[in-house]
Amino acid sequence: QKEVEQDPGPLSVPEGAIVSLNCTYSNSAFQYFMWYRQYSRKGPELLMYTYSSGNKEDGRFTAQVDKSSKYISLFIRDSQPSDSATYLCAMSDDTDKLIFGTGTRLQVFP
Amino acid sequence: DTEVTQTPKHLVMGMTNKKSLKCEQHMGHRAMYWYKQKAKKPPELMFVYSYEKLSINESVPSRFSPECPNSSLLNLHLHALQPEDSALYLCASSQATRAVRQGYTFGSGTRLTVV
Repeated sequence: QKEVEQDPGPLSVPEGAIVSLNCTYSNSAFQYFMWYRQYSRKGPELLMYTYSSGNKEDGRFTAQVDKSSKYISLFIRDSQPSDSATYLCAMSDDTDKLIFGTGTRLQVFP
Repeated sequence: DTEVTQTPKHLVMGMTNKKSLKCEQHMGHRAMYWYKQKAKKPPELMFVYSYEKLSINESVPSRFSPECPNSSLLNLHLHALQPEDSALYLCASSQATRAVRQGYTFGSGTRLTVV
């Protein structure tokens, strides 16, 4: 079993839709959670990071963590074609390493 | 300056060549990282430098040799690579290794092709 599981997609949605991206993990030592966005042939860009269970909102993005279920989500409201990218979850047990999910490819069509 | 700059953006090298990838940041970050990313795969950690000292080597083959000349620069020296080493090589930095709590800042990467 991989430490971090993420559906690779692709996930295809119409412009304006609410998008839900999810990761599950097996290591209960993970404490810190991030979401990255990666456009084709570019480096990952940090979108959000969070520590505690619950929700964290930043503009159209909401990160949700449920440590009891070992489940994290990223919601994108009012999705735009420019949101089309691969979204990677990442997490850490407070060591020097980030463990990444495999990424979900999102396509938002006009 | 909130960027991590990597050069070159693209590199094609033969299996007998020696080349170097360069990474630079001026954010005062004291931890720097090399990652390797194959197509449609997540980034894989190769090396971690903390305060210019190598703190993690993820059992990377010796044909990859990292170097951290100062707190702003990170190099990756390449020698006798194999075609399967072709990938996107990403550099990242963070304020300190424990600041992995807030994620890294990644560069745009060097796309390496070994022929």
